[in-house]
Amino acid sequence: DAGVTQSPTHLIKTRGQQVTLRCSPKSGHDTVSWYQQALGQGPQFIFQYYEEEERQRGNFPDRFSGHQFPNYSSELNVNALLLGDSALYLCASSLAVNEQYFGPGTRLTVT
Amino acid sequence: AQKITQTQPGMFVQEKEAVTLDCTYDTSDPSYGLFWYKQPSSGEMIFLIYQGSYDQQNATEGRYSLNFQKARKSANLVISASQLGDSAMYFCAMRLYAGGTSYGKLTFGQGTILTVHP
Repeated sequence: DAGVTQSPTHLIKTRGQQVTLRCSPKSGHDTVSWYQQALGQGPQFIFQYYEEEERQRGNFPDRFSGHQFPNYSSELNVNALLLGDSALYLCASSLAVNEQYFGPGTRLTVT
Repeated sequence: AQKITQTQPGMFVQEKEAVTLDCTYDTSDPSYGLFWYKQPSSGEMIFLIYQGSYDQQNATEGRYSLNFQKARKSANLVISASQLGDSAMYFCAMRLYAGGTSYGKLTFGQGTILTVHP
């Protein structure tokens, strides 16, 4: 049973560009959450998707948007990249209240 | 609002000894869950253990146990018989179940770096 997968593993972008990160949840999991983790910090919640709709959102600007597909996979889009967007982006999936499994993350560097 | 506090930036332990990583939380909601994760240098967050606010007994998963003291709002992680592979960053996190919903975000603490010495 495959766990949560994310792509790409690493990404380097220039300020002002746009980026799309992808996530496939653990088999059978219908809820996908995205987190941003700056170096040396705990992850910060960006948003959560369920049944293809954004169900909850953290304190992130509208430059951060997402999508969930019918197969429960998800994308995170960031527009007009800033240097401060450099971070590890983690995707997590869950089916029950007592679980949330994370993927390996995508390390984004903005230059 | 909820908050997680991990006051130990770094901890050291000798191989085969036990270690306790501290976590305190702040919420006025009576219904919540507490999680511990391990994050090695590779970056992946590995789920270790879960404790629900209404669970009567402390959670255990192999060498991991959670010392849940509800009145003190603490949820310390105890790792028994430490191994070299336990060296990593450890995060405590909380999820609220306000209004009967179960999809609340996880709020994380700042983490504790554990180093296991041979």
